[in-house]
Amino acid sequence: GDSVTQMEGPVTLSEEAFLTINCTYTATGYPSLFWYVQYPGEGLQLLLKATKADDKGSNKGFEATYRKETTSFHLEKGSVQVSDSAVYFCALRGSGSSNTGKLIFGQGTTLQVKP
Amino acid sequence: DGGITQSPKYLFRKEGQNVTLSCEQNLNHDAMYWYRQDPGQGLRLIYYSQIVNDFQKGDIAEGYSVSREKKESFPLTVTSAQKNPTAFYLCASMGPNGEAFFGQGTRLTVV
Repeated sequence: GDSVTQMEGPVTLSEEAFLTINCTYTATGYPSLFWYVQYPGEGLQLLLKATKADDKGSNKGFEATYRKETTSFHLEKGSVQVSDSAVYFCALRGSGSSNTGKLIFGQGTTLQVKP
Repeated sequence: DGGITQSPKYLFRKEGQNVTLSCEQNLNHDAMYWYRQDPGQGLRLIYYSQIVNDFQKGDIAEGYSVSREKKESFPLTVTSAQKNPTAFYLCASMGPNGEAFFGQGTRLTVV
């Protein structure tokens, strides 16, 4: 079945460092891909999305490109801030005949940014 | 305000007891989801529904049941068959643009 795999955390960076969180997926058809963020004590919020191959999602300085050839959707940010400390989830929404609409998540990656 | 409302926020269940978690949305979304969140395991899909009167099993449906009699409501019942129900449960809905909106969650504890 469909699945999402993220790099294990926690990831600890200094402020203004470059961030990459790896995400790869397995899916039939042409899934939509998402990054969600969960700040401490809050629910999940959509960070960015991409719906087809080569699309780039971007928001708040974060970017991710839908790479079908490598089945990846890595999250990047050029300069992190302390306020970016949170748990980041990669997700996909299936489009195959047996799993249309199924929304599944990776295990989450905790990011801690130190001043 | 539009959004997802889960209740209760905290729930305690005795051994062998069924409990029902409420999830209501006023976003007019067709798709709704239930997840279980355990430390270090991310979100695991229990059930999902793409339209009223229809739902599908997710990856960990055993010991759980749902109904979708109204568009606004997608309650989850944790049955006595679920042997390890202590967890944080999240409900979500998704609109046509693909953005999922989450409730604040219900923390279930077996006592």
